[in-house]
Amino acid sequence: QVQLVESGGGLVKPGGSLRLSCAASGFTFSACYMTWIRQAPGKGLEWVSYISNTGSATYYADSVMGRFTISRDNAKNSLYLEMNSLRAEDTAVYYCARDNGGAAAAVWGQGTLVTVSS
Amino acid sequence: DVVMTQSPLSLPVTLGQPASISCRSSQSLVHSDGNTYLQWFQQRPGQSPRRLIYKASNRDSGVPDRFSGSGSGTDFTLKISRVEAEDVGVYYCMQTTHWPWTFGQGTKVEIK
Repeated sequence: QVQLVESGGGLVKPGGSLRLSCAASGFTFSACYMTWIRQAPGKGLEWVSYISNTGSATYYADSVMGRFTISRDNAKNSLYLEMNSLRAEDTAVYYCARDNGGAAAAVWGQGTLVTVSS
Repeated sequence: DVVMTQSPLSLPVTLGQPASISCRSSQSLVHSDGNTYLQWFQQRPGQSPRRLIYKASNRDSGVPDRFSGSGSGTDFTLKISRVEAEDVGVYYCMQTTHWPWTFGQGTKVEIK
């Protein structure tokens, strides 16, 4: 079945870096555009970044522009989010999601928690 | 950025009764390709979000038919025809017509 499994979260100090991964299975990963969405503790959902199916197009929220980089490896069925210069306000559960029906975020992973604290 | 405004933010409902959530956008969500990219999500307590509706009115596979989406332009509605206990959670609208993509604040549905 369709599955997305995020990993790589953890505790990091302000200014530090972290790389999140999302392993996809059960569908043709290279045909789907992918999205990262986050949710701060007790808060709502915030879109973070998008990547097209080939990786040729990427978009970012203003809050992470210049600090985060989205990428993918279609041969490995994997999506990544490289996060640098992390701030306390980046603390959140990070979800990866795939499109379906020509629209975003049809299927979500279980999320991975990133905590930025000294 | 397109601002998505949901109302109400809290919705106590009686089991078996209908419920309705409004989502208004600060700009039209009609894309240049003619589609309206407005999605609805349900997040049950302790779970990942789940998409219910895409392109304003298309129900996702496996979503009960008591859920329906409607609307156009800047004004959208998610309706639950008869609320069941498993519908408790927070509901979000999200627009993917304009960059950056944006979510509504969320509407918490609880049973009276």
